[in-house]
Amino acid sequence: EVQLVESGGGLVQPGGSLRLSCAASGFIFSTYSMNWVRQAPGKGLEWVSYITSTSGSLYYADSVKGRFTISRDNAKNSLYLQMNSLRAEDTAVYYCATVYSYYMDVWGKGTTVTVSS
Amino acid sequence: QSVLTQPPSVSGAPGQRVTISCTGSSSNIGARYDVHWYQQLPGTAPKLLIYGNSNRPSRVPDRFSGSKSGTSASLAISGLQAEDEADYYCQSYDSSLSGWVFGGGTRLTVL
Repeated sequence: EVQLVESGGGLVQPGGSLRLSCAASGFIFSTYSMNWVRQAPGKGLEWVSYITSTSGSLYYADSVKGRFTISRDNAKNSLYLQMNSLRAEDTAVYYCATVYSYYMDVWGKGTTVTVSS
Repeated sequence: QSVLTQPPSVSGAPGQRVTISCTGSSSNIGARYDVHWYQQLPGTAPKLLIYGNSNRPSRVPDRFSGSKSGTSASLAISGLQAEDEADYYCQSYDSSLSGWVFGGGTRLTVL
């Protein structure tokens, strides 16, 4: 079964850091580009970051550029999002998703990040 | 303010047909980038519904259809069923932003 499972969310103070993980199974992870997408409470979907299969290209939304870093370990079938200098507006459910030809065909269930003092 | 514009809500009675519009610009839908649609049932993660403007994954019933013209796209749902009640999002790629863009989402209510 094709599956993505996010972890690492939690409560963090403004200015703090958090590292999200996304574990992939059921498909050849090393051949897929990946996205992180987030959804603030009661709001719509917002793309966060993208990484190619070989980590050769990385892209970020302007809202997180300079604060978030996407990475992956193909040997461990895992995707990561290092989030630094967190703000209240980063509070959201964070989803990882496979990318195929500019669309996202498999999504995880998400992990919740809350930034609050 | 989302880059792609969708109506906040639509509604229809069981068995009826509804459409959801998605309007973009020359840097996304109006360019060479396709439109894709996702369905998000209450309390769950989004799921791919339509890809490449009008293609359905095999698990998606043919009651769902998509189209694209110019700088806009539409999702049509025919034979409305209670289980179609969900939020629907359009998505494309924007060359000016160098990133993925979404519509603000449309909540479908089945009356």
